[in-house]
Amino acid sequence: NAGVTQTPKFRVLKTGQSMTLLCAQDMNHEYMYWYRQDPGMGLRLIHYSVGEGTTAKGEVPDGYNVSRLKKQNFLLGLESAAPSQTSVYFCAVGGQAYNEQFFGPGTRLTVL
Amino acid sequence: GQQVMQIPQYQHVQEGEDFTTYCNSSTTLSNIQWYKQRPGGHPVFLIQLVKSGEVKKQKRLTFQFGEAKKNSSLHITATQTTDVGTYFCAGLRYSGAGSYQLTFGKGTKLSVIP
Repeated sequence: NAGVTQTPKFRVLKTGQSMTLLCAQDMNHEYMYWYRQDPGMGLRLIHYSVGEGTTAKGEVPDGYNVSRLKKQNFLLGLESAAPSQTSVYFCAVGGQAYNEQFFGPGTRLTVL
Repeated sequence: GQQVMQIPQYQHVQEGEDFTTYCNSSTTLSNIQWYKQRPGGHPVFLIQLVKSGEVKKQKRLTFQFGEAKKNSSLHITATQTTDVGTYFCAGLRYSGAGSYQLTFGKGTKLSVIP
């Protein structure tokens, strides 16, 4: 069991470019989350999903879009990357909204 | 919006010393969760506290949840180099209609000097 995987592990973009981050899970959990982690800022929720076909905004959703077409996958898209989106992005999954979350290994994104 | 404050931001201790990090919420919480992130790694769940005044122990780690369910602490006895990392608290608040909101504190980065 791989648990939670994220693709890619690292990426460098130029301002204005687009990209998609993929989160995949084999834990069969309903809830999936995208966070960004910046130095001194902790983990901030970007978007989340409570099940296949559903998405909702978190604390810092601007500049990002998400899709959950399949239960096991949660995609995070950047349509026009900005230097302010340089960060480490973590995907997490959970069985219930009030249970613990299991995090993926992260994607380190740099926008030049 | 809900805020979860965590202090201190950094803590440097000599190996063998004790360490404590504190977490405070502006609102009453349904539960509080603690995570550890090793340098270069991802957050890993440690424990969840649900009841008012709850105390749980994991070997040298002691977790407490306040009586008002607004504050929590993590205490490590006799730190070891393996304890190095950033410890995050995360407060869960019920936001209605079956929805919950989990808010992470900014974390306490622990360094242990051998």
